[in-house]
Amino acid sequence: GQSLEQPSEVTAVEGAIVQINCTYQTSGFYGLSWYQQHDGGAPTFLSYNALDGLEETGRFSSFLSRSDSYGYLLLQELQMKDSASYFCAVKGSASKIIFGSGTRLSIRP
Amino acid sequence: ETGVTQTPRHLVMGMTNKKSLKCEQHLGHNAMYWYKQSAKKPLELMFVYSLEERVENNSVPSRFSPECPNSSHLFLHLHTLQPEDSALYLCASSDNRDHSGNTIYFGEGSWLTVV
Repeated sequence: GQSLEQPSEVTAVEGAIVQINCTYQTSGFYGLSWYQQHDGGAPTFLSYNALDGLEETGRFSSFLSRSDSYGYLLLQELQMKDSASYFCAVKGSASKIIFGSGTRLSIRP
Repeated sequence: ETGVTQTPRHLVMGMTNKKSLKCEQHLGHNAMYWYKQSAKKPLELMFVYSLEERVENNSVPSRFSPECPNSSHLFLHLHTLQPEDSALYLCASSDNRDHSGNTIYFGEGSWLTVV
């Protein structure tokens, strides 16, 4: 089967750094991406990794290790507005994108 | 505004009703998707259309019937639904010609309640 595993909830302090892990098991793999979804809103794209290594976009970074079927999203200098759900997603074929169950990030002042 | 528009935003229907969800994308993409989002469950891929041809059908009950008349429009026809079908239904689109990534753009979703 195909599955993506990520923690259901993470809590962090404003200004800190948090890492959200994702492990996947899929029949095909084109790349790992991350999406953010605020309550009541649509998921929005954050980052994408097709090759091993770290991709940095401002305060957010994403890492991929294809040999370990593992990736993570790193959020730095956390702000209250970063409180949201974060989903990892795998593109298993040209037209199929499978999502994890999401990690709810709560940020405390 | 993501370039993907869904209507209606909220829908309440009885189990014997027939209704449709509509999605329109203004991004020039060639693939469109329906996802179902229920509380505490992963985003479930329901259907994928690429170049107006259905390429994925993830064992979705026949009471859900998709239609893609052209590359910009996608419908989800609903008939004799069950209360457990109550969820947020998200439409999305992507450009499968973009091999640099797998970015998909979601609409705001249609909240469906079956009573």
